[in-house]
Amino acid sequence: KNQVEQSPQSLIILEGKNCTLQCNYTVSPFSNLRWYKQDTGRGPVSLTIMTFSENTKSNGRYTATLDADTKQSSLHITASQLSDSASYICVVSDRGSTLGRLYFGRGTQLTVWP
Amino acid sequence: EADIYQTPRYLVIGTGKKITLECSQTMGHDKMYWYQQDPGMELHLIHYSYGVNSTEKGDLSSESTVSRIRTEHFPLTLESARPSHTSQYLCASSPSGLAGARGGTDTQYFGPGTRLTVL
Repeated sequence: KNQVEQSPQSLIILEGKNCTLQCNYTVSPFSNLRWYKQDTGRGPVSLTIMTFSENTKSNGRYTATLDADTKQSSLHITASQLSDSASYICVVSDRGSTLGRLYFGRGTQLTVWP
Repeated sequence: EADIYQTPRYLVIGTGKKITLECSQTMGHDKMYWYQQDPGMELHLIHYSYGVNSTEKGDLSSESTVSRIRTEHFPLTLESARPSHTSQYLCASSPSGLAGARGGTDTQYFGPGTRLTVL
């Protein structure tokens, strides 16, 4: 069964600190993996996308890694800011259909305290 | 920033009412989607469309219906709302082809969502 599991479920850190969010997936055949940021009451916004051949991708203070062999990804946030408080969702796409089916994790709820 | 809009943003209605959630995008995307999301849970696909006059049901069974008469417009209708329909509804769109304007073929751009509460 194609699944996406994220950990931790929630995380509280102090402003300026770094943190790492984890994503494990069983989606096959694999196409790509994205990290989305979803602010409360808003729709998700794409942060990074990685294909099978990529193992790291950065977007400002966000750095995503991908290990396609172990089917694991991480999102590292550097020097956190209050505006980083949001849910971070791992989304994996398969190659099995023209729809490009997406499998969503439940997200990690990150809270940054001043 | 995605050019995809949803109205209303919040809706509180009584049981049995008919409602339509609006979704519009100005990016010319062929593919559009409706997701349902409960707090702390993953998004579930309830409807999608490849283009005008094309609609399909998603993974999660839903009593809602959709239509796609125009490329830019993908409304969702509930004929008789019930408390079990209380949820957040997110609309998304994506370009077709091998390379979209800002990403791969399955880059989905989300609207801000409609928070529906049925009393």
